[in-house]
Amino acid sequence: ETGVTQSPTHLIKTRGQQVTLRCSSQSGHNTVSWYQQALGQGPQFIFQYYREEENGRGNFPPRFSGLQFPNYSSELNVNALELDDSALYLCASSFSGKYNEQFFGPGTRLTVL
Amino acid sequence: GENVEQHPSTLSVQEGDSAVIKCTYSDSASNYFPWYKQELGKGPQLIIDIRSNVGEKKDQRIAVTLNKTAKHFSLHITETQPEDSAVYFCAASKGNSNSGYALNFGKGTSLLVTP
Repeated sequence: ETGVTQSPTHLIKTRGQQVTLRCSSQSGHNTVSWYQQALGQGPQFIFQYYREEENGRGNFPPRFSGLQFPNYSSELNVNALELDDSALYLCASSFSGKYNEQFFGPGTRLTVL
Repeated sequence: GENVEQHPSTLSVQEGDSAVIKCTYSDSASNYFPWYKQELGKGPQLIIDIRSNVGEKKDQRIAVTLNKTAKHFSLHITETQPEDSAVYFCAASKGNSNSGYALNFGKGTSLLVTP
């Protein structure tokens, strides 16, 4: 069974730029959620995708957007990067029958300068 | 929205002792309570979870208890080992289509087990 994978592992961007992060879900899973984890904090829910549509969103501005593809992989896009966007971005996959039971990938560390 | 509080923020125990981490939640509609272990440089790993129709669940050295009336749940680790050292997060979810089955996390407990 393949676990959740994310790419890239690390990324450095400057303020105002745009970034795309990628996630491949665990085999057998069809739902992907994205979380932002600031240093020393718990993960915060950004949004969830199921059947290629957004299925719930946390308190994040529209410049955070996502996609889910037919193979259940997903992308997180962040436009107009701000310094406060520096964080670990985590992807979690789950099966639609057990939406809550989420399994996380290793994350992408984004640094905005 | 849901607010999850977690205590303590740091916990140091000697190898072989027990460790207890406590969380409270605010939304009585929450019905799923997972615990995650996060080691340095890694993503959170699901270690145990409990649903609102169950009061206690155990898996080897790890157990979780839930008190729905008081809206709190706890993680118990017995016979701690140095490899249990990590940051532990509790979370709560009410699992409906509006919230997208979001997990609402506590701020974490840094557990250190000393030999």
